Amino acid sequence: GESVGLHLPTLSVQEGDNSIINCAYSNSASDYFIWYKQESGKGPQFIIDIRSNMDKRQGQRVTVLLNKTVKHLSLQIAATQPGDSAVYFCAAASGYALNFGKGTSLLVTP
Amino acid sequence: EPEVTQTPSHQVTQMGQEVILRCVPISNHLYFYWYRQILGQKVEFLVSFYNNEISEKSEIFDDQFSVERPDGSNFTLKIRSTKLEDSAMYFCASRDRGWKDQPQHFGDGTRLSIL
Repeated sequence: GESVGLHLPTLSVQEGDNSIINCAYSNSASDYFIWYKQESGKGPQFIIDIRSNMDKRQGQRVTVLLNKTVKHLSLQIAATQPGDSAVYFCAAASGYALNFGKGTSLLVTP
Repeated sequence: EPEVTQTPSHQVTQMGQEVILRCVPISNHLYFYWYRQILGQKVEFLVSFYNNEISEKSEIFDDQFSVERPDGSNFTLKIRSTKLEDSAMYFCASRDRGWKDQPQHFGDGTRLSIL
């Protein structure tokens, strides 16, 4: 079955720095990927998505990179702010279901 | 901005009892989902629902679980006879029409505690 994981369980960055959160997936048939942000006591909040026919997509302060050759995607957050502190999940679409990774906790220090 | 709403926010139930978790998906969305998240673990898919029937379910979604869309706005998850290991956060999600490359939008969840 699909295995979706993140390389680091926690990431600490200084305010204003750029953050990079990585994710690996195992199912080469996965063709749609989403990054979610989860704050304490809340549900996953959609950040950005990317289809497998793309290798890069940009949003406001966020960029997702997809490398299908090595089955890896990353989330880059520019000029990280204290409000970015949360747990970040990548998810890969397999049929109707989303398969989530375990999450990386991002801590932004002043 | 439209959002998925879930009630109750916290449900405490005795083991063996039935529980119903309720969700109001984003209006005009066509696909509905339930996921669960055991404390400290990743979000796990339970079931997807489209056109008034289950379109996909995971191994977790056994005969103790059922889903229903009783009217045009609500989407429910029922657990018939709860077990201790059913304690988790349960998230409802919905997405718009089209193939799977539309993002699923999540509610803030119901915390289910089985005693």
